[in-house]
Amino acid sequence: AQSVTQLGSHVSVSEGALVLLRCNYSSSVPPYLFWYVQYPNQGLQLLLKYTTGATLVKGINGFEAEFKKSETSFHLTKPSAHMSDAAEYFCAVKPPARNQFYFGTGTSLTVIP
Amino acid sequence: DAGVIQSPRHEVTEMGQEVTLRCKPISGHNSLFWYRQTMMRGLELLIYFNNNVPIDDSGMPEDRFSAKMPNASFSTLKIQPSEPRDSAVYFCASSLTTTGNSPLHFGNGTRLTVT
Repeated sequence: AQSVTQLGSHVSVSEGALVLLRCNYSSSVPPYLFWYVQYPNQGLQLLLKYTTGATLVKGINGFEAEFKKSETSFHLTKPSAHMSDAAEYFCAVKPPARNQFYFGTGTSLTVIP
Repeated sequence: DAGVIQSPRHEVTEMGQEVTLRCKPISGHNSLFWYRQTMMRGLELLIYFNNNVPIDDSGMPEDRFSAKMPNASFSTLKIQPSEPRDSAVYFCASSLTTTGNSPLHFGNGTRLTVT
């Protein structure tokens, strides 16, 4: 069975500080991996995805994530937080041979001025 | 590309009334998903379609919920009769392929309030 764990339902960082949002998954085979961002009163927007190839993936708004197979992790980072990064972030996995997406419970990011 | 379009954005109704939520997926996408989001339960998959055919409706909470996709460009989610516990944000999402690395594209959701 697939599962996605996002450690920390709430993360606070100071403006300009490093953002690190954690995502671990359980899967018998390496899945496709996604990060989504949700701003208030909006739908989920794709930040980035990992499919195959380079394990460090760059996304929009300066975010990037690294796939580590040995750790079954796909943590999201951004070197310098901006006030506009305050939002809910969701990690999702998709088994390669199935049309099913599994979402984590989300991490709410607060950026302190 | 207009993205996934959902209507209405907000719906307020009284308990017992029928509610119909609508979704237009991105043109060319062949998979469509309905999700429900609440504070308590997070994001829940209700049902998804491939090529207009319902594939997995195990997430539909009760018989009061039904979903249809009469063609590739339109889907509805109906609740009849509605109850206060159905209050949530309902999202529709579409994707390009039935397998592979195509991501989900979400609409902006319908916020349903049942009083």
